[in-house]
Amino acid sequence: GQQLNQSPQSMFIQEGEDVSMNCTSSSIFNTWLWYKQEPGEGPVLLIALYKAGELTSNGRLTAQFGITRKDSFLNISASIPSDVGIYFCAGQTWSGYALNFGKGTSLLVTP
Amino acid sequence: DTAVSQTPKYLVTQMGNDKSIKCEQNLGHDTMYWYKQDSKKFLKIMFSYNNKELIINETVPNRFSPKSPDKAHLNLHINSLELGDSAVYFCASSPGAQETQYFGPGTRLLVL
Repeated sequence: GQQLNQSPQSMFIQEGEDVSMNCTSSSIFNTWLWYKQEPGEGPVLLIALYKAGELTSNGRLTAQFGITRKDSFLNISASIPSDVGIYFCAGQTWSGYALNFGKGTSLLVTP
Repeated sequence: DTAVSQTPKYLVTQMGNDKSIKCEQNLGHDTMYWYKQDSKKFLKIMFSYNNKELIINETVPNRFSPKSPDKAHLNLHINSLELGDSAVYFCASSPGAQETQYFGPGTRLLVL
């Protein structure tokens, strides 16, 4: 499978700050997804993107599917302590069965 | 009303043993997966089954054998466990290809 380059690897921020993370790939994907994993749990889908250029929001989260189909970003506005976790990007090709994951961005939010 | 469930949640065993992890989904999905998450949190696909048929076997040692008795279940049997098999194993399911994958809570395997 393809390995995605996700950055930053970790972020340590104060409550109320905005957060931005991104993912790039050498290959084209037709679906980009963002998952959040909390300690001891499985990844939970936050946002799914299906079209190049698509910008989608889910509450304080906004994600975009890059025009080249090789990148995506996730923004979190006005972070709160419960945003703590590891955020993973994942890309999916036309064959569609496997998700190719980034290495994750570990987010810590202090009150 | 758990969507994707796995048992056991924790598994501690000795090198050389054989063990199984079970996965069940009650979402009516056709496609199921096994992923491995290593100590650095990297998630990698191992297997994918669609309608009980193997679709993906991603260069996994043949000590790992998935079994899908029906569409709702995908079990993972591991023979002759090695230290390097220690990881968290996640089961996931989706309605079909190209659709959202829902993950189970994971099985934390520690091989001593």
